[in-house]
Amino acid sequence: DQQVKQNSPSLSVQEGRISILNCDYTNSMFDYFLWYKKYPAEGPTFLISISSIKDKNEDGRFTVFLNKSAKHLSLHIVPSQPGDSAVYFCAASGQNNQGGKLIFGQGTELSVKP
Amino acid sequence: EPEVTQTPSHQVTQMGQEVILRCVPISNHLYFYWYRQILGQKVEFLVSFYNNEISEKSEIFDDQFSVERPDGSNFTLKIRSTKLEDSAMYFCASSTSPRDHTDTQYFGPGTRLTVL
Repeated sequence: DQQVKQNSPSLSVQEGRISILNCDYTNSMFDYFLWYKKYPAEGPTFLISISSIKDKNEDGRFTVFLNKSAKHLSLHIVPSQPGDSAVYFCAASGQNNQGGKLIFGQGTELSVKP
Repeated sequence: EPEVTQTPSHQVTQMGQEVILRCVPISNHLYFYWYRQILGQKVEFLVSFYNNEISEKSEIFDDQFSVERPDGSNFTLKIRSTKLEDSAMYFCASSTSPRDHTDTQYFGPGTRLTVL
């Protein structure tokens, strides 16, 4: 099941710079997308979401961009901080999922170096 | 801040044994979920539960799995006869609104299940 893909398993960024994490999806029925952050030995923590009626959503240092025609979304973190080092998961859901099922990508491990 | 809690944090069991994983969802939430993550793989949906019945389940959630809300606060996942391949992190999640797939799901810290 490759409906949601994060092609970069890891990303290393210098503190203060921008981190860009990418996610692609194949199912055109998806209309809601979320980013979760996960530290080792903890559960995923909700970060930010976007509905398909928007192309951008911003919350502090975090911005998610959605390109529906390309079936692509990205998470921008500016400026990156060492505490942002974690695994970031992209997830998607659609109206046809009455049960609210989330489909996750494989995750990208972000390392922010001081 | 309210949070989802799970017990135990780590469960070791012998193949063929029954295990029950426990979760306490956020108190005003009405929709409950179980996901799992096998080491090195994606987080995968298992089941969603609302109003005392299963709303949706994945192919993984076969007859060996069951869920229950035995009282007003707990939500459990039972695996009747564990297999080696059931070894994974199991995450419970909850959300407020039924039938609204845009409602944010909040996850617990997970239970690491090891089947020997």
